[in-house]
Amino acid sequence: QVQLLQSGAEVKKPGASVKVSCKASGYTILNYGISWVRQAPGQGLEWLGWISVSNGHTNYAQKFQGRVTMTTDTSTTTVYMEVRDLRSDDTAIYYCARRVIGYNTEHFDNWGQGTLVTVSS
Amino acid sequence: DIQMTQSPSSLSASIGDRVTITCRASQYISNSLNWYQQKSGKAPNLLIYGTTSLETGVPSRFSGSGSGTDFTLTISSLQPEDFATYYCQQSYSTPPTFGQGTRLEIK
Repeated sequence: QVQLLQSGAEVKKPGASVKVSCKASGYTILNYGISWVRQAPGQGLEWLGWISVSNGHTNYAQKFQGRVTMTTDTSTTTVYMEVRDLRSDDTAIYYCARRVIGYNTEHFDNWGQGTLVTVSS
Repeated sequence: DIQMTQSPSSLSASIGDRVTITCRASQYISNSLNWYQQKSGKAPNLLIYGTTSLETGVPSRFSGSGSGTDFTLTISSLQPEDFATYYCQQSYSTPPTFGQGTRLEIK
């Protein structure tokens, strides 16, 4: 079955960087992109961007341009997301999700378990 | 960015009730609307995509409708496992954006 397994919780100081991993299994990873979505405590869902696993193409939300980098390692079927220059309002659960494209739709059909990133001095 | 507004923000209902949640887009999004269910402490789970298509494994008591800017998620007969928060998401344009969520609670 499709599984996305994320790395463990992180605690970082303001200004630091964090790199979260998302290991995919149970499907042909090259056939799907991976999106990243975050959720601040008690808040809603916010899309950060996505990466094509087949060619490395990325598309980031304008808000995160220059501060977020998504990469892939197809040899280990793992996708990474790095967030730099962390601020307190980056404290959130970060999810990876499999991106499905169809006619008139882009949706996220399988999600990782989430990685809590806490930014605190 | 397209803004998605859900109503109500919270809702109390009883087992067996029929429940409807509304999602409105700030501009035309055709039928590019998806619904997710999120239980406390868990990742979101896809329920419906493309406004009306039920994701594999999702019970048939869930249904979606709408087009253009106004959409609804209906649960025909609430079950205990349906108490959760529901989010709509538009995929018409980048960035994909989510509604603020509707929390469904037991009455």
